[in-house]
Amino acid sequence: AQSVTQLDSQVPVFEEAPVELRCNYSSSVSVYLFWYVQYPNQGLQLLLKYLSGSTLVKGINGFEAEFNKSQTSFHLRKPSVHISDTAEYFCAVNRANTGNQFYFGTGTSLTVIP
Amino acid sequence: EPEVTQTPSHQVTQMGQEVILRCVPISNHLYFYWYRQILGQKVEFLVSFYNNEISEKSEIFDDQFSVERPDGSNFTLKIRSTKLEDSAMYFCASRARQGGSEKLFFGSGTQLSVL
Repeated sequence: AQSVTQLDSQVPVFEEAPVELRCNYSSSVSVYLFWYVQYPNQGLQLLLKYLSGSTLVKGINGFEAEFNKSQTSFHLRKPSVHISDTAEYFCAVNRANTGNQFYFGTGTSLTVIP
Repeated sequence: EPEVTQTPSHQVTQMGQEVILRCVPISNHLYFYWYRQILGQKVEFLVSFYNNEISEKSEIFDDQFSVERPDGSNFTLKIRSTKLEDSAMYFCASRARQGGSEKLFFGSGTQLSVL
């Protein structure tokens, strides 16, 4: 089975400051990794995903994430946050190639302070 | 971008009552899912559905739950006799094809409150 841990439940950060949201996973098989964002009163939207290849993946809204196999991590970063980035961020894994079920972390609430 | 639509956005019910949560997946998608998120907890998988039958379900999805695709466009989740612990945000999702790399599209959720 797969599992995902997001260590930080809440991350406050000042506008234009950098941010990193941490995600660690465990799995006995190859997985794909995802970050989803949930804005207030909306559904989950895909930010970015890692399937294979380059370990640094770029997503929408200036976010990027780096896959680190040895540390089983997939941390999300943005060099300069905006007020509109305030949202809940979820890391998720899915078994590579055949995976049907997504396993989500508990989410990290990012609050950008003006 | 195409959207998954869920109705209602909020549902309040009394314990022991039946509720039906409705979803309209993206029209050419073949795989459908229900997830739920209890406040402050993980988004949890409930069930996946393909070719008019359940393809996978979690331990949460017990006999009180059922899913249906009654008319080729709607995808419903029924809870027969709601319990307090069923209070959660329920997300419907769909995707075009099987496989981990295929993008999952989520609806905006139905907040179910069981009193």
